[in-house]
Amino acid sequence: EVQLVESGGGLVRPGGSLRLSCAASGFTFSNYWMGWVRQGPGKGLEWVANIKPDETEKYYVESVRGRFTISRDNAKDSLSLEMNSLRSEDTAVYYCARVAWRSGYHMDVWGKGTTVTVSS
Amino acid sequence: DIQMTQSPSSLSASVGDRITITCRASQSISMYLNWYQQKLGRAPKLLIYAASSLHAGVPSRFSGSGSGTDFILTISSLQPEDFATYYCHQSLRAPWTFGQGTKVEI
Repeated sequence: EVQLVESGGGLVRPGGSLRLSCAASGFTFSNYWMGWVRQGPGKGLEWVANIKPDETEKYYVESVRGRFTISRDNAKDSLSLEMNSLRSEDTAVYYCARVAWRSGYHMDVWGKGTTVTVSS
Repeated sequence: DIQMTQSPSSLSASVGDRITITCRASQSISMYLNWYQQKLGRAPKLLIYAASSLHAGVPSRFSGSGSGTDFILTISSLQPEDFATYYCHQSLRAPWTFGQGTKVEI
C-alpha cells in the first residue's frame, strides 16, 4: 500500500525550530518529486515546498524561503522539513505529498498530516 | 505569482443534484490544473489532474474541463459522501497556488 506518514509536529515558541519528517512506503521513493502543503486553522491549502528526486531543485513559497529547508534521504525513503525562526502564522497542519507527473504535476498521495503550533 | 479564484465560495445542494465549481487563473496555465476534495479533519484527495483526467479510483460522476484561464469541476449527481470542500490547484510554475476552496453543503 502506498503510504506517507508525517511526524515531528508539536508546540513551539515563536522564533523556535522544528523538524518534520515524512516516511514513505509502498512505492519507489527515489523516482518522485515530493512536497509539503500546509493548512492553517480554518484556512485553505497552501503549498510550502517541493524537492526533486536528486535534490538538485528545491522550490519554496516566498513566506518560508530562508527559514524552511526541504530535504530527503532516498536511502531511507524519508522526506524532511527543517523549520527555523517560526512565526505564529506558521501554525498549521503540515501534509507531506507525493508529486506525480502525467500531463502535468499533481499531488496524488497525501499523508494524514502533522500539527505545528507556534505560540508563547 | 499565479492567483487562483474559485466560485462560489460555498453552495448548498441536495443529493442527486448536478453542481459545477469554477476556477479562474490570473494568467494562462494551459491544462496544469488539478482538483482536490477535502473532508473535515482529513487530508486532501486528488480527484482530477491535468484539467480533465480522472484520478484512479475516483467515481465517474466527477469530471473536469477547461484550459487556459477558466476551468470547471462538475459533479453530475451529488452523493452524500461528496459533501466536502473542493480546491483547484495550478502546477504550471512555482509557487504552486490553490484556490480558496468551495464548500459544498447540504
